[in-house]
Parts: sequence; C-alpha cells; structure tokens
Amino acid sequence: EVQLVESGGGLIQPGGSLRLSCVASGFTVSSNYMSWVRQAPGKGLEWVSVIYSGGSTYYADSVKGRFTISRDNSKNTLYVQMNSLRVEDTAVYYCAGGRPAENWGQGTLVTVSS
Amino acid sequence: EIVLTQSPGTLSLSPGERATLSCRASQSVSSSYLAWYQQKPGQAPRLLIYAASRRATGIPDRVSGSGSGTDFTLTISRLEPEDFAVYYCQQYGTSPPWTFGQGTKVEIK
Repeated sequence: EVQLVESGGGLIQPGGSLRLSCVASGFTVSSNYMSWVRQAPGKGLEWVSVIYSGGSTYYADSVKGRFTISRDNSKNTLYVQMNSLRVEDTAVYYCAGGRPAENWGQGTLVTVSS
Repeated sequence: EIVLTQSPGTLSLSPGERATLSCRASQSVSSSYLAWYQQKPGQAPRLLIYAASRRATGIPDRVSGSGSGTDFTLTISRLEPEDFAVYYCQQYGTSPPWTFGQGTKVEIK
C-alpha cells in the first residue's frame, strides 16, 4: 500500500523559514514525479513545485526563488524548503506522487502570521 | 503558463441526474495531458481521470472524460450520494507549471 506522510507544518512569522517533509512507503520517491500542491483555507488547489525522477525541478511563479524542492533517496523522502514566507503562503501543503498525481498525502498546515 | 477555466462554478443536481463539467484551457494542452480530481471536505484530492479520458484505478465507469486541445469535459452519468464534491481539472504537460482549474462544486439540489 502506498503511503505519503507529510510533516513540518506549523505557525511561522512572515519572513520566516520552514521545511516540510514527505516520507513515502510502498512508493519510490526517486523513480517518480513528486510534487507539492497547496490549498489555502476555503480555496482551490494550487500547484507549487515538481521534481522529476531525473532531478529537474520546476516552480510556480508565486514561490520561485523562495521555495526549493529536493529529495533524499536514501530516506525515500521529499522535501520543500520554504524561505521568506508570506501571509499568502498560508495553506495545507500536500505532497503528491506521479504524473498526474495518483498518490497523495494527508497534508500539513502551514500558517504564516504575526 | 496555461490557464484552466472551469464552468460552472457550482452545479446543483439531484442523485441519479447527469453531471457535465467543463474545463477550458487558454492554449492547447499537449498530448491531452489533462486530469480530473475529486475532493471532499477535509480530504486530499483523488485522481479520477488522466490523459483526458482514461479512468484511474478503481474509478467506476459512470465517470468519464472527453475532449482534446483546449476543451475538456468530465461527465458523471448518474450521480450517487458519494459524488457530491468539488472537482478540479489539471494540465500536466511537458512544460511546467502544471496548473489547476479553480474547481466546480457539485452540490445536492
């Protein structure tokens, strides 16, 4: 059974940094397209970033230069390093595997507020 | 960046009725790299359709997708109680960003 479990969310002040993790089981992170998708409270889905199996990375314009997606193959874990956080980055962050995303985690809430 | 526009915003229907949801792209979606997801409150999205018309694993045949180029449709032939949810289209072409539509809510009339 495939499981993706996110962690690392929480309350952070504007301008701060946070790193989210997504541990996979029954699924190989390095062999798949792995994405981060977020959803602001009461809003729709917003694609954030993807890392290809070959290592190429892509970002939404809204996070480019502030967020960095990466993975640790030995830990079968996906990460996103989020810097210079803004109030508008407040959302549930999902990790998702596949292209398109067939496997999803349960999400972790990031709240950016002073 | 490809912009996806979904319509209508809300669809009010009764169980047993047919639901037709539209997703229009601002430019052609390459190789029909178009997916549909269902999301219920408090849950992660679930993949329903990929490649515009292929059902994902475990999706019943009352759910179908069609279209190509810039116009795509999700059809649920006979609504079951578990089908009332929000539906999103997403394009996942060869050049990210992989954008989502704004969603269509299917609610009980």
